[in-house]
Amino acid sequence: DMKVTQMPRYLIKRMGENVLLECGQDMSHETMYWYRQDPGLGLQLIYISYDVDSNSEGDIPKGYRVSRKKREHFSLILDSAKTNQTSVYFCASSLKGYAEQFFGPGTRLTVL
Amino acid sequence: SQWGEENLQALSIQEGEDVTMNCSYKTYTTVVQWYRQKSGKGPAQLILIRSNEREKRSGRLRATLDTSSQSSSLSITGTLATDTAVYFCATPYQGGRALIFGTGTTVSVSP
Repeated sequence: DMKVTQMPRYLIKRMGENVLLECGQDMSHETMYWYRQDPGLGLQLIYISYDVDSNSEGDIPKGYRVSRKKREHFSLILDSAKTNQTSVYFCASSLKGYAEQFFGPGTRLTVL
Repeated sequence: SQWGEENLQALSIQEGEDVTMNCSYKTYTTVVQWYRQKSGKGPAQLILIRSNEREKRSGRLRATLDTSSQSSSLSITGTLATDTAVYFCATPYQGGRALIFGTGTTVSVSP
């Protein structure tokens, strides 16, 4: 069953706290992504991972970092979260960079 | 920005009507993907069309791609209330290593 999972689904944090968002996929896809989605702005690419320990910045990497130690897992870390990082975060995976992307259900993060 | 300003933001229609949404892009591409995102869910691919296809159908969906005008369209015939969603077009970028998504067209279908 082709699936991308995200944990947690909902998260409330205070400004300055650290945040860890987790993503998993069961398709052995090499490439994984983190996006954030804000109203009217569509999907903005934060980071791309081409495989284990091979990560590249997307369009809005500032304030975020990622970790990929296993092909099936990709984490997004916010060190000292800011209120403007309140958003819905989506993880996705694909066989190749330009191929179909499979998305997780999203994590709604609120930073107070 | 990759996207033209004529990409429509929102459409409201009645069930049974047909709807067409357009995507105008600035950087040449030979592949366009269309995704649908229902409320509270992640986007899911509907259709991928290549330049050598010009038109592609999948059930009630029809996509077109015109590389000369750098535009693509997605049509849905006989809409259902369950077609209510945001529809995105996406093209390759960063040397084909990723996709860039448009801002989306919100389609609301009333029963």
